Amino acid sequence: SQKIEQNSEALNIQEGKTATLTCNYTNYSPAYLQWYRQDPGRGPVFLLLIRENEKEKRKERLKVTFDTTLKQSLFHITASQPADSATYLCALRDDKIIFGKGTRLHILP
Amino acid sequence: GAVVSQHPSRVICKSGTSVKIECRSLDFQATTMFWYRQFPKQSLMLMATSNEGSKATYEQGVEKDKFLINHASLTLSTLTVTSAHPEDSSFYICSASLSGGGDTQYFGPGTRLTVL
Repeated sequence: SQKIEQNSEALNIQEGKTATLTCNYTNYSPAYLQWYRQDPGRGPVFLLLIRENEKEKRKERLKVTFDTTLKQSLFHITASQPADSATYLCALRDDKIIFGKGTRLHILP
Repeated sequence: GAVVSQHPSRVICKSGTSVKIECRSLDFQATTMFWYRQFPKQSLMLMATSNEGSKATYEQGVEKDKFLINHASLTLSTLTVTSAHPEDSSFYICSASLSGGGDTQYFGPGTRLTVL
């Protein structure tokens, strides 16, 4: 069955820099990947969905890429701010929606 | 739009008691609702998928007699943890997907269950 790997458990980035988070999957390319943000003690919030035939998707300071050759999605936050500090989860559909463990992002002021 | 609420947000109970958690879609009808459990620093683990008016589909390893799910209407699903034990202590999160909205899920704020 499909597995998701979010390589970094935690990532520290200086405020103003671009944060880049990685999501790798192991098997076939899913029809799409999703990215969610989760704050401590809260449920995840949907951010972006990128389809298999899309190379890149943008939403304000967020950018997601999808490379089916590398079996990887990258999630970028440009001009990062301390308020961007949270855990970011990627998700895809196998026989059900599965989530990665997430990457805890800390934006340092 | 697409707001999901959960109640209670936090509950502490004694071992052996049952706890009911409610999940409501506030501004949309949710044909399908999902229940997840999340342990600290772990991923969301899907427990069951609930469709309005039918029996829930449980994931492998999840005891359906222990985690009772009822999806009586298009806006309400409940999860009852029966005879709770300390190992059931966890963060329980529900989500709902919009009819025809694909797989994007809208999550509730979660319920922190602590069983003493």
